[in-house]
Amino acid sequence: GDSVTQMEGPVTLSEEAFLTINCTYTATGYPSLFWYVQYPGEGLQLLLKATKADDKGSNKGFEATYRKETTSFHLEKGSVQVSDSAVYFCAPDTGRRALTFGSGTRLQVQP
Amino acid sequence: EAQVTQNPRYLITVTGKKLTVTCSQNMNHEYMSWYRQDPGLGLRQIYYSMNVEVTDKGDVPEGYKVSRKEKRNFPLILESPSPNQTSLYFCASSGRPARGETQYFGPGTRLLVL
Repeated sequence: GDSVTQMEGPVTLSEEAFLTINCTYTATGYPSLFWYVQYPGEGLQLLLKATKADDKGSNKGFEATYRKETTSFHLEKGSVQVSDSAVYFCAPDTGRRALTFGSGTRLQVQP
Repeated sequence: EAQVTQNPRYLITVTGKKLTVTCSQNMNHEYMSWYRQDPGLGLRQIYYSMNVEVTDKGDVPEGYKVSRKEKRNFPLILESPSPNQTSLYFCASSGRPARGETQYFGPGTRLLVL
């Protein structure tokens, strides 16, 4: 079945540091790839997505590139802010019944 | 405003007392689903619905029921709650369960079963 591996958290960074959250997946076919973010006390919301190989999704300074050859979709941001503190979920969507979520990576950004 | 609403947001109950968590979306989405979120386990799908009167089990359906009588509503029913159903529950909807569709999530319902 489909699965996702995300790096364990929490990831603790200082403001303006560079962020990478690794995500690799196994899925049949060619899934669309998503990053969702969950801010404290809220539901998940879409951060960015990519629907085909080599596509780059971007939003709010975050980027991720669909790497079909390595089945990866790593999330990056050049300079994190305190307001980026949240839990980040990688999720491939093969078009079946549901997204397959990773366990989430908690990011804590310190001033 | 496009949104998914859930009620209640917080609920404390006792073992065996039937409860319903409501979910409603105003985006005319065909697809709706329920997830539970537990520490270290990410989100796991409980049930989903492709359209009105069409529902099916997700990964962890035991102890839950759903119904889809109207397109906008997808209530989650716990007939006889048990402590292992203590969790954070999310309802989600999207246009269709196809590639590239964004899922929209409700704010969550935190349930404690004593």
